[in-house]
Amino acid sequence: SQTIHQWPATLVQPVGSPLSLECTVEGTSNPNLYWYRQAAGRGLQLLFYSVGIGQISSEVPQNLSASRPQDRQFILSSKKLLLSDSGFYLCAWSNLYRGFSGNTIYFGEGSWLTVV
Amino acid sequence: QKEVEQDPGPLSVPEGAIVSLNCTYSNSAFQYFMWYRQYSRKGPELLMYTYSSGNKEDGRFTAQVDKSSKYISLFIRDSQPSDSATYLCAMRKETSGSRLTFGEGTQLTVNP
Repeated sequence: SQTIHQWPATLVQPVGSPLSLECTVEGTSNPNLYWYRQAAGRGLQLLFYSVGIGQISSEVPQNLSASRPQDRQFILSSKKLLLSDSGFYLCAWSNLYRGFSGNTIYFGEGSWLTVV
Repeated sequence: QKEVEQDPGPLSVPEGAIVSLNCTYSNSAFQYFMWYRQYSRKGPELLMYTYSSGNKEDGRFTAQVDKSSKYISLFIRDSQPSDSATYLCAMRKETSGSRLTFGEGTQLTVNP
């Protein structure tokens, strides 16, 4: 079965510090990978998605970047955090070849980021 | 205007009640419809998945899609305190690959 791991689960970072959130997927190959941010009252906001190694699409211009160095690894980064970057970050995956439910998305457990 | 509208609640019901959660959408291109359940401080988990119009039942949960009205529903029968969570609807178009459009979620509390 497929599993998704995301870390760290919680972090508190000062303004201006760098950020690195990591996500890996097991049990599937060539997944689509996603980074979402969830803020209170604003639902899920798609930040980045990737259909393959080195292929990143950005949905929202911002202080963040994403990279996909390996097929099942997705990294969210920032060089200098802003207060507004605080939120709940979710990594997710999907796979076109999983039959009827292949085009839906499965989420990791999330990372709570507080920028102080 | 948002493509998907969902009443954020909060919704509070007694244990055993029938719960109805709803979303409306504006784009008739949406073909696939999903409901996710999200417990506090956890990632959303897929609950139901339906294609086009009709009903789908899974245990105490029933998902209903009415494409003519651009309206989807999730019914929970015999609700339990363990059903207390935020429920998010999601949908996608035939041409959008696996990219989903989400509602903002409805917060549900089932009181024992």
